[in-house]
Amino acid sequence: GNSVTQMEGPVTLSEEAFLTINCTYTATGYPSLFWYVQYPGEGLQLLLKATKADDKGSNKGFEATYRKETTSFHLEKGSVQVSDSAVYFCALGSGYSTLTFGKGTMLLVSP
Amino acid sequence: ETGVTQSPTHLIKTRGQQVTLRCSSQSGHNTVSWYQQALGQGPQFIFQYYREEENGRGNFPPRFSGLQFPNYSSELNVNALELDDSALYLCASSLGEGGYGYTFGSGTRLTVV
Repeated sequence: GNSVTQMEGPVTLSEEAFLTINCTYTATGYPSLFWYVQYPGEGLQLLLKATKADDKGSNKGFEATYRKETTSFHLEKGSVQVSDSAVYFCALGSGYSTLTFGKGTMLLVSP
Repeated sequence: ETGVTQSPTHLIKTRGQQVTLRCSSQSGHNTVSWYQQALGQGPQFIFQYYREEENGRGNFPPRFSGLQFPNYSSELNVNALELDDSALYLCASSLGEGGYGYTFGSGTRLTVV
């Protein structure tokens, strides 16, 4: 079946540091891949997505590239801000438009 | 444009009881999905409704059931509550049967004691 594995957190960084959150997946066929962000007390917000191999999704300085050969979709940002502190979820979508999520990675950014 | 609204925001129930959670989809959206997010875990797909019909279900027992109404709002019902049902329940709406253009609500925090 489909599954998503993310690096465990928390990831603790200083402001302006480089961020990488690793995500790998297992799926049949050709899934779409997503990163969602969840701020405390809130629901999920779509951060970025990629629908086919070698696509790069980007939004608000975050980027992720769909790598079929390594079944990965790592999230990166060149310079994090305190306001980026949140939980980040990697997800894949296949069939019936349903999403399979990873367990989430908490990011804590200090000033 | 309104987003997805869920009610109530918090709920405490006793084991064995039944609960109904409600979701108003984003304006113009006709598909509603429900997810269960246990503490420290990622959301897990429960089921999806499109035009009032269930068209996809995750690995949840039949005591989890749902409805979608003509205005595309939705309910999630859980019977015979168990302690492990304690979680954040998220509703997401989208337009159309395919695609992943979801808008998520803020969720209902259910605690079973």
